[in-house]
Amino acid sequence: NAGVMQNPRHLVRRRGQEARLRCSPMKGHSHVYWYRQLPEEGLKFMVYLQKENIIDESGMPKERFSAEFPKEGPSILRIQQVVRGDSAAYFCASSEMIAGEDTQYFGPGTRLTVL
Amino acid sequence: AQTVTQSQPEMSVQEAETVTLSCTYDTSESNYYLFWYKQPPSRQMILVIRQEAYKQQNATENRFSVNFQKAAKSFSLKISDSQLGDTAMYFCAFMKLKLTGGGNKLTFGTGTQLKVEL
Repeated sequence: NAGVMQNPRHLVRRRGQEARLRCSPMKGHSHVYWYRQLPEEGLKFMVYLQKENIIDESGMPKERFSAEFPKEGPSILRIQQVVRGDSAAYFCASSEMIAGEDTQYFGPGTRLTVL
Repeated sequence: AQTVTQSQPEMSVQEAETVTLSCTYDTSESNYYLFWYKQPPSRQMILVIRQEAYKQQNATENRFSVNFQKAAKSFSLKISDSQLGDTAMYFCAFMKLKLTGGGNKLTFGTGTQLKVEL
């Protein structure tokens, strides 16, 4: 059973460009979460999605950031017009309530560098 | 809103010794999960152990165990027989329990960098 997949692992963008980060959840999982880890800090929640629905986007910046989880295909975190402050590691996690257990499993992360 | 506090930014332990990492949290919820994740130099987030708040028995996973004190809102991690591969950043995390459908965000502490030395 493959784990949570994220790609690309490393992404370099110049200021003003767009960044697209992809996440495929663990097989059988319908809940997807995105977290951001700034250098030397802990993980901060951004958004929680289920298929075709955003459930909680309370941690998402109001501008330039968007997320989707279409019926088919991976979840996408999109950052428009990137700035240097967007440089961070972006982690995706997935979960499913199975037999009373609801644990989030993380992907390897995408490290975004904005030049 | 929930908060998670890890008051030890860095700790070190000798190989084969035991170390305890502390975590406290603040919540008004009565049903929730607590987790410890480790982040080794590879930066991958790896689940170490989980605890359901309604369970009085402390969770254990091989060399890892927790001391869960619900009234004190404390959730410490004990690592026995420390190994060099345990060197990592350890994060404590809180998740409110949803009674139907599952799924909810994790709130993380700031982490404790553990170094296991020869």
